[in-house]
Amino acid sequence: DSGVTQTPKHLITATGQRVTLRCSPRSGDLSVYWYQQSLDQGLQFLIQYYNGEERAKGNILERFSAQQFPDLHSELNLSSLELGDSALYFCASSGSGIRADTQYFGPGTRLTVL
Amino acid sequence: KNQVEQSPQSLIILEGKNCTLQCNYTVSPFSNLRWYKQDTGRGPVSLTIMTFSENTKSNGRYTATLDADTKQSSLHITASQLSDSASYICVVSAGSQGNLIFGKGTKLSVKP
Repeated sequence: DSGVTQTPKHLITATGQRVTLRCSPRSGDLSVYWYQQSLDQGLQFLIQYYNGEERAKGNILERFSAQQFPDLHSELNLSSLELGDSALYFCASSGSGIRADTQYFGPGTRLTVL
Repeated sequence: KNQVEQSPQSLIILEGKNCTLQCNYTVSPFSNLRWYKQDTGRGPVSLTIMTFSENTKSNGRYTATLDADTKQSSLHITASQLSDSASYICVVSAGSQGNLIFGKGTKLSVKP
């Protein structure tokens, strides 16, 4: 158990809909990262937040947005969903300074868009 | 363009045998290189992390090497076990912002 929690575990929705994925980082970790992993594809970095502020942006679509709240949990919002958005979405967290080197991944949310 | 390439794409070995997975990268400026193990449908778990000055790092039966001159890394698994069956992902961190570039992974299957 990495200490990172993600909800829900599974999500099934229809094209055009909007969903919100939630992530709680490990206790004390300030950074939260979001990744997308499509079937048989590598992990794609989406976005990073550090202590409530956006730190780095990867291949995140304009239909997607994220935020990190004062209690450090984060939400990833996916809107106008398309079939191709079906994937595993992982959240990871890391600390600061020397603890920033290792990311701890959550169990993921499996999104299926029908 | 920053890239991380892993080989082979997939590998099948018998339990108890050793194997070596390869990672070549073209990432600049290089910050560090990590190997992750990802069981099917689960989040990746960190195995090792190496900076520019480190040539080798071990974690139990896993030993990672780094040649910063040739921009190559390898992950050697000794005396494989059935539980080693997973995808192994090489990740290179670039620049001061630590942008992460992921390889597509090597899928290892260990058979009895």
